[in-house]
Amino acid sequence: DIQMTQSPSSLSASVGDRVTITCQASQDISNYLNWYQQKPGKAPKLLIYDASNLETGVPSRFSGSGSGTDFTFTISSLQPEDIATYYCQQYDNLFTFGQGTRLEIK
Amino acid sequence: EVQLLESGGGLVQPGGSLRLSCAASGFTFSSYAMSWVRQAPGKGLEWVSAISGSGGSTYYADSVKGRFTISRDNSKNTLYLQMNSLRAEDTAVYYCAKDKGGSGVGAGAFDIWGQGTMVTVSS
Repeated sequence: DIQMTQSPSSLSASVGDRVTITCQASQDISNYLNWYQQKPGKAPKLLIYDASNLETGVPSRFSGSGSGTDFTFTISSLQPEDIATYYCQQYDNLFTFGQGTRLEIK
Repeated sequence: EVQLLESGGGLVQPGGSLRLSCAASGFTFSSYAMSWVRQAPGKGLEWVSAISGSGGSTYYADSVKGRFTISRDNSKNTLYLQMNSLRAEDTAVYYCAKDKGGSGVGAGAFDIWGQGTMVTVSS
């Protein structure tokens, strides 16, 4: 099984800050990596697919990069509506989610 | 509008059974693989099961293998999850999700999610 290690588990930042979350796979998954946003009481929402592709309708302040085992998710300028939990997910071998990063406003 | 709507959740005793349904609309259902993903209260996301567009291929997480069965009726645009021998640790919100990549399982991300249905396993 492929394990996904996401860090940090929680993060506090100010509006306008650049925010970065990392995700590490236990083995090479090429670019088979997605990022989701989940707000409290809501279903997850796809933000980034195939490591770096922005899903239609998602603001351009969100971006992703990486390949192989190391991946990064970035919010270039944090907005109040970005408060949520973020998950990475691999789909190289079935599916595994990272444990999530809870993002709060400082 | 592309939409997924789950139903069938509720309270069930340990060892009991429940069948979840997920009604799809707004897209060609048979052309896409589908998955079930669950989230225990206060916890992260856990993939549960997936099925190909034709229904011919199915996959399960080790935690539910042998107890849960995924199926689909493409004539009714509906996905199912039959859950047997339920345990307290199966308590979660269950989401159905559409695979962005096409009819094969693992072809892409989950681009459309339902609102979720709560399953509580308790005596």
